[in-house]
Amino acid sequence: SQQGEEDPQALSIQEGENATMNCSYKTSINNLQWYRQNSGRGLVHLILIRSNEREKHSGRLRVTLDTSKKSSSLLITASRAADTASYFCATDKNTGGFKTIFGAGTRLFVKA
Amino acid sequence: SQTIHQWPATLVQPVGSPLSLECTVEGTSNPNLYWYRQAAGRGLQLLFYSVGIGQISSEVPQNLSASRPQDRQFILSSKKLLLSDSGFYLCAWRGTAGGEAFFGQGTRLTVV
Repeated sequence: SQQGEEDPQALSIQEGENATMNCSYKTSINNLQWYRQNSGRGLVHLILIRSNEREKHSGRLRVTLDTSKKSSSLLITASRAADTASYFCATDKNTGGFKTIFGAGTRLFVKA
Repeated sequence: SQTIHQWPATLVQPVGSPLSLECTVEGTSNPNLYWYRQAAGRGLQLLFYSVGIGQISSEVPQNLSASRPQDRQFILSSKKLLLSDSGFYLCAWRGTAGGEAFFGQGTRLTVV
């Protein structure tokens, strides 16, 4: 079963606008991660936020985590055409190894 | 530095034929290893993960199996492929302390 669920499923914006993607999950987690995937390629890690953190920044990325609501958001500011990709959240449960479950993803299209 | 190799990049196989996809990791020891499958336009489904040699956890009952004959080698197999086995298969590794996952470039399998 899916642990993380992103919304929206697809997002189309103009270059320069901000893009916000949300992720909800069901059970307690150790951390939550966001990944990016260009079409037909492997995933690339963007940012990890631990369960005791509420907000984290990396360049134009801002991630928030609300463990009481079991949700996270990824904000990309001043988007560029090169940001066009699919974005996934992933959650970890430590089960003697890290079982990492991904959501269905948000497909972001940034128009130049 | 650590690298992950996954091959082949594309594969077309007839129904009923066997499958062997290989993934190797360099530059790290005792990684957690993962096999995921991604249907077109969808999220990643965790198939198998391994915390050590010979230790395999299966997430979804299916026509596939995994093996870890060496510390940094993870193999995905099938004795007889089904049409429904078509998809994009991704191998990934993580360190024992958690953190980000590193993905291979994926294998696109088409069963005809």
